[in-house]
Amino acid sequence: DSGVTQTPKHLITATGQRVTLRCSPRSGDLSVYWYQQSLDQGLQFLIQYYNGEERAKGNILERFSAQQFPDLHSELNLSSLELGDSALYFCASSVQGRDYGYTFGSGTRLTVV
Amino acid sequence: DQQVKQNSPSLSVQEGRISILNCDYTNSMFDYFLWYKKYPAEGPTFLISISSIKDKNEDGRFTVFLNKSAKHLSLHIVPSQPGDSAVYFCAARGSQGNLIFGKGTKLSVKP
Repeated sequence: DSGVTQTPKHLITATGQRVTLRCSPRSGDLSVYWYQQSLDQGLQFLIQYYNGEERAKGNILERFSAQQFPDLHSELNLSSLELGDSALYFCASSVQGRDYGYTFGSGTRLTVV
Repeated sequence: DQQVKQNSPSLSVQEGRISILNCDYTNSMFDYFLWYKKYPAEGPTFLISISSIKDKNEDGRFTVFLNKSAKHLSLHIVPSQPGDSAVYFCAARGSQGNLIFGKGTKLSVKP
């Protein structure tokens, strides 16, 4: 157990729907990062939050949004889902914003049918 | 445009021999590089890292080499063990502090 908890582990939903992925960072970590891993792709950076504020943005679609709550857990909201959104979504956390390494959760596998 | 590239999707090595995983990057401003290992159904786990001011870092069986002029880094595993079979991701720290990952190399170590 890495200390980073992601729920749910698996999610199957239909096109056009909206889902919310949840991440609880490791105790003491202030930064949360979201990554997407599609088939044959590496880990694509989506967005970072630090202590409740958005810190950095990557290749995140406008249909996707995220937030970090006062208790430091984070949610990634995916709306108007398309087949191509099927992927593994990983959350990672670190103590600060420019640490030397992240701790990853085990991911949420999203399947859009 | 990929800033971190792992050109070998897979690598097969005999147990006890050396595994060499390669990674190329395009941005000379990257200041820190990391290797992560990933088993199926798990998230990536940190393996070893190197600062851009160094050219080598060793941790047990794992050594990372950095060649800044060539914008190339490599991970050496000696000796390789069947438990090392996993997907290995190379990553570089970007200007915003986030990590930029390659597509990964699947290492298979055969007994």
